[in-house]
Amino acid sequence: AQSVTQLDSQVPVFEEAPVELRCNYSSSVSVYLFWYVQYPNQGLQLLLKYLSGSTLVESINGFEAEFNKSQTSFHLRKPSVHISDTAEYFCAVSETMKTSYDKVIFGPGTSLSVIP
Amino acid sequence: GAGVSQTPSNKVTEKGKYVELRCDPISGHTALYWYRQSLGQGPEFLIYFQGTGAADDSGLPNDRFFAVRPEGSVSTLKIQRTERGDSAVYLCASSLGRGRYQETQYFGPGTRLLVL
Repeated sequence: AQSVTQLDSQVPVFEEAPVELRCNYSSSVSVYLFWYVQYPNQGLQLLLKYLSGSTLVESINGFEAEFNKSQTSFHLRKPSVHISDTAEYFCAVSETMKTSYDKVIFGPGTSLSVIP
Repeated sequence: GAGVSQTPSNKVTEKGKYVELRCDPISGHTALYWYRQSLGQGPEFLIYFQGTGAADDSGLPNDRFFAVRPEGSVSTLKIQRTERGDSAVYLCASSLGRGRYQETQYFGPGTRLLVL
């Protein structure tokens, strides 16, 4: 069975400072990995995903995450955060089954608060 | 707005009552998912529809929970004899349902259910 651990439930960071949100997963088979973001009073949105190929994936708003198979990690980073990045971030995993459907398992989330 | 919509946005009910939660997926999306998000946790998979059929209902916690999608579009999650532990945000997501790789799931804003 798969599981996702997000060790930090809350991460406060000053504006323009770098941030890393940690994610570790457990699975006995190959996985797809995701980061979702939930802005205040909005629905979950896909931020970025790793399916195959390059282990470093990027989002359009400056976030990046690196898949590390040996450490079973998929940490999310941004070199300089903005106030608008304040949100709840969820790491998620699903097993690769080469179909359009895979059961997605979410972590408990990390609340990122950007301080002016 | 062509996103996933859910109604009602909030629902307050009494223990033992019956509730229905509605989800309107993105037009043309054949795959539909229901998740439950308890306070301080990530979304938890409940059920997956491909078209009109429930392809995977392994996440439904017990037989008080049931979901339908009679015409392959709108879906209704039904909860009988509600209990206080059912209080949570119920999320709906949809995806194209035709790809060979993990597809992006688009989430609705959720229905916040409170059982008194």
